[in-house]
Amino acid sequence: NAGVTQTPKFQVLKTGQSMTLQCAQDMNHNSMYWYRQDPGMGLRLIYYSASEGTTDKGEVPNGYNVSRLNKREFSLRLESAAPSQTSVYFCASIRRANQPQHFGDGTRLSIL
Amino acid sequence: AQKITQTQPGMFVQEKEAVTLDCTYDTSDQSYGLFWYKQPSSGEMIFLIYQGSYDEQNATEGRYSLNFQKARKSANLVISASQLGDSAMYFCAMRERTGNQFYFGTGTSLTVIP
Repeated sequence: NAGVTQTPKFQVLKTGQSMTLQCAQDMNHNSMYWYRQDPGMGLRLIYYSASEGTTDKGEVPNGYNVSRLNKREFSLRLESAAPSQTSVYFCASIRRANQPQHFGDGTRLSIL
Repeated sequence: AQKITQTQPGMFVQEKEAVTLDCTYDTSDQSYGLFWYKQPSSGEMIFLIYQGSYDEQNATEGRYSLNFQKARKSANLVISASQLGDSAMYFCAMRERTGNQFYFGTGTSLTVIP
């Protein structure tokens, strides 16, 4: 049971570098989400995709872009990384409303 | 205004005792869902329990139960017979019927004392 798979698990970047966080789910879920988790802040929504072909901004979208490549995959891109983007990033998915989100194991990203 | 408020940054409970983690929410929707997640020190997010706004009974899942008071807009998690493995961060979350977003609280850190 793979569930939601995030790659990489850890990454260190220098300020100004770009990178893409990958997320894939094998549960045939419709909606996918990207969150960041910072100490004392809980999970904050960056972007989400309610269905294949659609994406919407969440609470903290600045500095990020996303692509819903197909139903399985939802990637998060940092075009020019900044130290303020140091965080743990979680991808999640659900099949439909009123079902719990399934989370990946997270990506720990440090930007120097 | 915060959609989800968890006012207890840290809680301690003696092993085998019960503990209540508070969660209040803010919505004007009549239809919504409330969720609790556990995050142990290893970092993964584990779903614990769900309560729908129209559910007449409080949700229960094993040692977890939800004290749902709709008029007060509270959805407190009750953990009975605490175990050392219950030490973790606990997050309350809500999804409104009219949107696709989930809103999370800032979490409560629970420590179970032997």
